[in-house]
Amino acid sequence: QVQLQESGPGLVKPSETLSLTCSVSGDSITSHYWSWIRQPPGKGLEWIGHVYYSGSSRYNPSLKSRVTLTIDTSKNEVSLKMDSVSAADTAVYFCAKRAYGSSFWLDPWGQGILVTVSS
Amino acid sequence: DIQMTQSPSSLSASLGDRVTITCRASQSVRNYLNWYQQKLGKAPKLLIYAASTLQNGVPSRFSGSGSGTIFTLTISSLHSDDFATYYCQQTYSTLYTFGQGTKLEI
Repeated sequence: QVQLQESGPGLVKPSETLSLTCSVSGDSITSHYWSWIRQPPGKGLEWIGHVYYSGSSRYNPSLKSRVTLTIDTSKNEVSLKMDSVSAADTAVYFCAKRAYGSSFWLDPWGQGILVTVSS
Repeated sequence: DIQMTQSPSSLSASLGDRVTITCRASQSVRNYLNWYQQKLGKAPKLLIYAASTLQNGVPSRFSGSGSGTIFTLTISSLHSDDFATYYCQQTYSTLYTFGQGTKLEI
């Protein structure tokens, strides 16, 4: 059974870098793309991007200049780094596996981690 | 970007009701359309993928249909556990986008 667990600091200062890790268990991290999605408090879902173990990645153009996704196969971890954060980046951040067949879908998801950007 | 628009944004219903949520794409997404259920404080849960395929373990009262630009999620008979927010998502384009959500309330 695939399980994903996000971790990282819950509070980041404005203009600093947000760094999160998604630990993957129960599945091969080299077999799928892995996505990050965020949800500001009380709002909807925004796809941030996804990454493959080879380094292939896609980003939401609205965040592309500030976001880097990487995979550490030795640790079975997916990482998100977001530069120059502001209060607008306050959100719950989720990681998810991109499954595929006749199309693509995100399943499962991690439980999410709330990151607050504040001084 | 492909815009996804859900209707209604909120819906009041009663136990046992049949409800339908509609999702419209700004351009064709073929069958690359998924539905998720999210309860307060929890991660979204996949209900339907590829427009009409029920995810393992999801009750059969949930069903999805559509192709191209118009899709529907139907709950045939509401249970108390179904009151949540529902999101559609397209994965056809390289930028995945979600609908704004439909909050289903008692």
